[in-house]
Amino acid sequence: GAGVSQSPRYKVAKRGQDVALRCDPISGHVSLFWYQQALGQGPEFLTYFQNEAQLDKSGLPSDRFFAERPEGSVSTLKIQRTQQEDSAVYLCASSTLGGSERDRSYNEQFFGPGTRLTVL
Amino acid sequence: RKEVEQDPGPFNVPEGATVAFNCTYSNSASQSFFWYRQDCRKEPKLLMSVYSSGNEDGRFTAQLNRASQYISLLIRDSKLSDSATYLCVVNQAGTALIFGKGTTLSVSS
Repeated sequence: GAGVSQSPRYKVAKRGQDVALRCDPISGHVSLFWYQQALGQGPEFLTYFQNEAQLDKSGLPSDRFFAERPEGSVSTLKIQRTQQEDSAVYLCASSTLGGSERDRSYNEQFFGPGTRLTVL
Repeated sequence: RKEVEQDPGPFNVPEGATVAFNCTYSNSASQSFFWYRQDCRKEPKLLMSVYSSGNEDGRFTAQLNRASQYISLLIRDSKLSDSATYLCVVNQAGTALIFGKGTTLSVSS
C-alpha cells in the first residue's frame, strides 16, 4: 500500500518568503508528527496531531511555524518569513496510535521521504 | 545536554567485522527504545525495538539497561549494505520520538 508522501520534495526559498509543506499520511493513521532534521543531526520533534487536534506543538521553534490538519488526514506545515536557519529536511510521520489514555503503547511511526528546504 | 547521546562517528569497518554502537538517554521516564536506520538522503526506518531482556534479529542484537539508561546495538558479520546512519531513539507513552544525533557506519570491501 501507499506510504507517507510529502510534497514538494525540494523547496528553495528566498529569505523572507513564506512556504507550505504538505504531508499525506498513510490512510487511516490517527497520529501525525512533524520533525525537522538539520544537516548532520537527528530528527527533532516539531508538532503532533491526533486526528485534527494538535495535541503538542512544543517543538515549533518560533511563531513563524504553524501546522494544521483540518480534516484529520492531510497536514500542512507553514513557515512564514523564512530564515536561513530554517534550512533543513522536514519529515512527516504517521502511526496508528490513538484511543484512550490507557492504551498508549507505542505504534511504529512511518516516515515520509521529507521535504528538503533551502533558504537563500 | 541532549536527551539522547550517541557514540561519535564515523565507524569505518571492513566487511565481516563486528561493530557496536552505544547510546545513553537522560529521561528515566522513557518507556520505549529503538534503533532506526537512515540511508543517505532517505527517511529514517525502524531497524528494531529494544527490550530489557535483549533481542536479536539476524546479525543485529540490541540491549537495554534501564538502570544505567544505556542502549546498545551490535552488528555481526558486517555487510556493505549495512552502511548507513544508525539513530538511537527513545519514546514516552506513544508521543514524539526523541532521536540521537546518529552514528555513521561505513563498511568497506
